Amino acid sequence: QVTLRESGPALVNPTQTLTLTCSFSGFSLTTLGMRVSWIRQPPGKALEWLARIDWDDDRVYRTSLQTRLTISKDTSEDQVVLTLTNVDPVDTATYYCAQSRAGVLYAFDVWGQGTKVTVSS
Amino acid sequence: QSALTQPASVSGSPGQSVAISCTGTSSDIGYYDYVSWYQQQPGKAPKLMIYDVTNRPSEIPSRFSGSKSGNTASLTISGLQAEDEAFYYCSSFTTSATVVFGGGTKVTVL
Repeated sequence: QVTLRESGPALVNPTQTLTLTCSFSGFSLTTLGMRVSWIRQPPGKALEWLARIDWDDDRVYRTSLQTRLTISKDTSEDQVVLTLTNVDPVDTATYYCAQSRAGVLYAFDVWGQGTKVTVSS
Repeated sequence: QSALTQPASVSGSPGQSVAISCTGTSSDIGYYDYVSWYQQQPGKAPKLMIYDVTNRPSEIPSRFSGSKSGNTASLTISGLQAEDEAFYYCSSFTTSATVVFGGGTKVTVL
């Protein structure tokens, strides 16, 4: 059974760096065709795709945020980490990580429950 | 990277069919058959309903179906049920290798 769980600070000050961790089980990111993505949802608004990392370490970022985002993986710990630098109140959102896999590579098959992040001083 | 366009809301009575449109461009929906649909209940994570335009995960009821024509994809719910009331989001892979979501549609069961 595939599960993902996001963790990170609930409150971040403006201009600081936000670091989020996605801990997963039931699959390995060293397996061909596996992918983990980050998606966020501001309160009352739509989903917004942020970044993805693949089994072969290929990484792609949202164009408008690519200078502020970094995604990485720790295959020994089964974790994917997302950092967002210089946060602003508009970055307040629930952040989700989600798995994609071979055969369902271009959709988000299994989601974590999300972690709420508020950017405020 | 503009969001895909969805109607803000659709509604129907139990047993009726409703369709949600999702309009993109020739760089996303029009280029790839990689459109997916997600259902989101209040306070919950999204749930995959349709992938690759028409494919349903095994646990999704057959009353949910997807289609695409040109730059527009659609999700149809046939035989609407009370538990189908939720927000629905479309997404598409793009020629930039990124993913774009729609603005979301609230489905109301009257």
